[in-house]
Amino acid sequence: EVQLGESGGGLVKPGGSLRLSCAGSGFTFSDYTMNWVRQAPGKGLEWVSSISTTSYYIYYADSVKGRFTISRDNAKNSLYLQMDSLRAEDTAMYYCARRWYTPMDIRPFDYWGQGTLVTVSS
Amino acid sequence: DIQMTQSPSSLSASVGDRVTITCRASQAISSHLAWYQQKPGKVPKLLIYGASTLQLGVPSRFSGSGSGTDFTLTISSLQPEDVATYYCQKYNSAPLTFGGGTKVEI
Repeated sequence: EVQLGESGGGLVKPGGSLRLSCAGSGFTFSDYTMNWVRQAPGKGLEWVSSISTTSYYIYYADSVKGRFTISRDNAKNSLYLQMDSLRAEDTAMYYCARRWYTPMDIRPFDYWGQGTLVTVSS
Repeated sequence: DIQMTQSPSSLSASVGDRVTITCRASQAISSHLAWYQQKPGKVPKLLIYGASTLQLGVPSRFSGSGSGTDFTLTISSLQPEDVATYYCQKYNSAPLTFGGGTKVEI
């Protein structure tokens, strides 16, 4: 059974840092592009960042570029999001999601984790 | 960047009604359009990808159509368990933008 589990959320002051983790199991983690998506309370979904299977391709939403860093460790079946210079508007549930991507077969996010809540407040 | 615009933002319909949600991309995205369902307090669930391909296990009352810039999600006969917010997403290239969502109520 495919499972994704996020951890690392919590309460942090504006300007602070937090590191989120996502552990994958039940599938070959290194075969999938991994992603972070967030959802502010009562708001819609916002794509945050993506990382390719070998970490060669990395993309960020403009809203987090220069402040967030995505990474992965395929040996540990884990995805990470280092969040620095946090702002109140970064308050959200953060989900990790997997995506199958090859040049001939592009798919969207087929499995999502349960999410971890990040609250940025003084 | 390509913007994704959904309409309506919310709708109310009766059980058994046919419901249609539209999603418009500001530029052509071929058929790289997905639809997700998010029930209250739950994780988003993939319904449709490739604009019209049903994800495994999704009821056949859900269907998708369109290509280029204009896409549609249709629920042929609305059921009580379909109460949710529905999102479209372009996934051909970053940024992998979501639409603003359509809240479906009964």
